[in-house]
Amino acid sequence: GAVVSQHPSRVICKSGTSVKIECRSLDFQATTMFWYRQFPKQSLMLMATSNEGSKATYEQGVEKDKFLINHASLTLSTLTVTSAHPEDSSFYICSAKDRGPTNTGELFFGEGSRLTVL
Amino acid sequence: KQEVTQIPAALSVPEGENLVLNCSFTDSAIYNLQWFRQDPGKGLTSLLLIQSSQREQTSGRLNASLDKSSGRSTLYIAASQPGDSATYLCAGGLRIKAAGNKLTFGGGTRVLVKP
Repeated sequence: GAVVSQHPSRVICKSGTSVKIECRSLDFQATTMFWYRQFPKQSLMLMATSNEGSKATYEQGVEKDKFLINHASLTLSTLTVTSAHPEDSSFYICSAKDRGPTNTGELFFGEGSRLTVL
Repeated sequence: KQEVTQIPAALSVPEGENLVLNCSFTDSAIYNLQWFRQDPGKGLTSLLLIQSSQREQTSGRLNASLDKSSGRSTLYIAASQPGDSATYLCAGGLRIKAAGNKLTFGGGTRVLVKP
């Protein structure tokens, strides 16, 4: 199956700093990637839809200036948590859809990035 | 808007017993439904994908059904093993223009298979 890689897998930062998380599709091109957030023992909540070459679409209640998304190429989307605070500590997971002609609509997920803000 | 619910939230069974995990969704215009496995602190592993035109999918000991009219999907795991212990998530997809598929996740069912 298609592989999606996230980096870093774990990051610890001080309050007030910014953290960038990368999501790469390794063996396919993705015009669309999705960013999710997961709190402990809870399910995944969609934060935003990342579109290659255009602005991301944010879900209601997600601050676009807080969570900057850039999708500069067909294989890379980045999520930057700006001026991080302890309440931003969470597990962030990205997913991507293969843009190829045989795609089934299946989404492939990265391994996730655990952010801890001190 | 799609809403997805999974009941029960947790399930404990002895090894060898069959597992039945339930998922319900509100929008029958579902594009597809995916079942995932998540181990603690890890990402998601895709188990099965059922297209809206299909009624079931099978992979090894896993079988998932889809009934759009009743808004339900069921994941069956035959002859459970301790290694099946994990959280199982179902996600309903709605087709959105340009993006293709927007998934809404259920709350998950935490499964413990006791040796």
